[in-house]
Amino acid sequence: SQQGEEDPQALSIQEGENATMNCSYKTSINNLQWYRQNSGRGLVHLILIRSNEREKHSGRLRVTLDTSKKSSSLLITASRAADTASYFCATSPAGGTSYGKLTFGQGTILTVHP
Amino acid sequence: NAGVTQTPKFRVLKTGQSMTLLCAQDMNHEYMYWYRQDPGMGLRLIHYSVGEGTTAKGEVPDGYNVSRLKKQNFLLGLESAAPSQTSVYFCASSPARQGLSNQPQHFGDGTRLSIL
Repeated sequence: SQQGEEDPQALSIQEGENATMNCSYKTSINNLQWYRQNSGRGLVHLILIRSNEREKHSGRLRVTLDTSKKSSSLLITASRAADTASYFCATSPAGGTSYGKLTFGQGTILTVHP
Repeated sequence: NAGVTQTPKFRVLKTGQSMTLLCAQDMNHEYMYWYRQDPGMGLRLIHYSVGEGTTAKGEVPDGYNVSRLKKQNFLLGLESAAPSQTSVYFCASSPARQGLSNQPQHFGDGTRLSIL
């Protein structure tokens, strides 16, 4: 079963605008990760936030994590056409024997119009 | 730096045929994973391996077998292909857990498999 639920399923914006995607999950986590997938390609890791962190930045990316609400958000500022892709959240379960396994959400399709 | 390489990139099979998908990584990662991705869905874990000679079942293992005879290679086999196995298959690898934190995964570009 899918751990993560992502919202919205699709997002269409103009270049220069900000894009926000949300992810909710069900069980306790070790960390939460965001990945990008360009059409016809594999997933690329963007950012990892640990369960004891609340916010993390990487370039134009900002990720927040609220473990009490079991939710995370990914903000892409000043979007570019090259940001057009699918974005997935993935959770790594709490506990020492997960062996790095991830459970992925269904993804958000982001389209940035020039 | 090649990272994770999957072969073949595309394949069409007939129902009942068998085939093996190959995944190779050159990053000396301990963990390797096989996922399938179906339209409108995220990735679902088929099998995974935590080291050479080890394999374990994921969320959707039925109809698939795997082997990891060498650390750098992880093979996914379909013994008798069925139309329900039409999907895009992704291999990923990651370093072993460091301290309290699991590590990000590195993905190949996928194998697009159609079963008629």
